This record gives sequence, C-alpha cells and structure tokens, in this order.
Amino acid sequence: DFVMTQSPDSLAVSLGERATINCKSSRSVLYNSQNKNYLAWYQQKPGQPPKLLIYWASTRASGVPDRFSGSGSGTDFALTISSLQAEDVALYFCQQYYGTPPTFGQGTKLELK
Amino acid sequence: QVRLVQSGAEVKKPGASVTVSCKTSEYIFTAYPIHWVRQVPGQRLEWMGWITAGNGNTKYSQKFQDRLSITRDISANTAYMELSGLRSEDTAIYYCARGLVSTPTPQAIDPWGQGTLVTVSS
Repeated sequence: DFVMTQSPDSLAVSLGERATINCKSSRSVLYNSQNKNYLAWYQQKPGQPPKLLIYWASTRASGVPDRFSGSGSGTDFALTISSLQAEDVALYFCQQYYGTPPTFGQGTKLELK
Repeated sequence: QVRLVQSGAEVKKPGASVTVSCKTSEYIFTAYPIHWVRQVPGQRLEWMGWITAGNGNTKYSQKFQDRLSITRDISANTAYMELSGLRSEDTAIYYCARGLVSTPTPQAIDPWGQGTLVTVSS
C-alpha cells in the first residue's frame, strides 16, 4: 500500500498568517499519461465528517475559499492556507487515490496561535 | 444538495455482524460510486471498499476482503456496508461517501455521510 506521511503532526498559526501542511507519498501518484497527480486534501472539524478541499493535487473543490491551495507533484505535496481564518481550525488529511486501496495521511491538527 | 444519511449508532458483541445503511438523495444514485471509509479513534482514515451503484460491482481492501460486504438497493437509493466477525479493534466511526465523478475510476470522494459509530464490546 502507498504510505502517506504528513508533516507536521500539529501546527499553530496566528490569524491572518500563512499555514502550510506537507504530505509525502511512499510512491509517485503522478499518472504520466494524464499528467495528473492522484492526490486530495480533506478538512475535518470535530464531530463532523471530512470535507473535500482539493483534488488532482491543486484543483479546489466547489465552494472552497481561494485562500486554500494545493501544490506539488510526484511524491511531495503541500496544502497552503494563505491567510488563516478562525474557521480553518481543524484536522487536515491528504489522500492518494492512485493505488488501491486509497490511503490517507495521519492528519495534521491546525490550531490558532 | 447531495445528501448521504447514515443509520444510527450500533453496539455489538465480538463475533457479531453489523450493517450500516447510507441513504442518498438529490442526485442520480446509479451514476456515482459509493465508498466506505472508517476512522478508528486516534488513527488515520481507512478506506474499506466501494460499490459501483449502477451495476453493483464492488472492490474491497484486502484487509477486509474476507468479512466485508457492500451492497445497494437501487429502488431505495441506499447503499449498505456489512462487516462480520467483529472484534474490539473494529470500534470506529464508519462513513459512506460518494465518488466525486460519475465513473468507476480512481477519484476523490465527496460528500460524506455524517458517520455511524460502531462499538464492539463484550
């Protein structure tokens, strides 16, 4: 199985500041013939299910604010929140869907400083 | 607005089976796959399997291959996940979620049901 490793495990950022979460895959999730990275990011708030933020590594899901962006290719990816808002405090997961089974990172807890 | 509404919390004894339902609305049920993912407290999300709602084809994670069954009832726009041979390590929140696109290909998943807590305890 693909192993997804996120860093850091937790992150404290001040309101209005930038937050960056990293995700590394044990194998490339780039499908060369399509030039697509099979990588998604999810946000989960306490007591709620995950919500899709980013897919194909950098495509924002419908309704997701443009302060969220995804980058990277192959095995190394990042989720960036350009200006942290209070409602962004949550757990964030990356997921690869290149291989079966799809696998998730361990999660990064984003808190306010 | 697409909705996935799951059945309520369950408490089961070791060795028993549990079935969780996932009733969908506001989209064409047969057009999108349904995935099942679980979240054991303190652990990462774990994909269990999926069903192509149109033809009923399924694919399971090898980890659950021997004791997982995912089915669907087209007339009820509902998918089901049955896990047998329960053990304490199966205590988790179980989620259904729809595939993002209407093809049975690798894809992100959204939206998700609200989750069903299954507790396995003697």
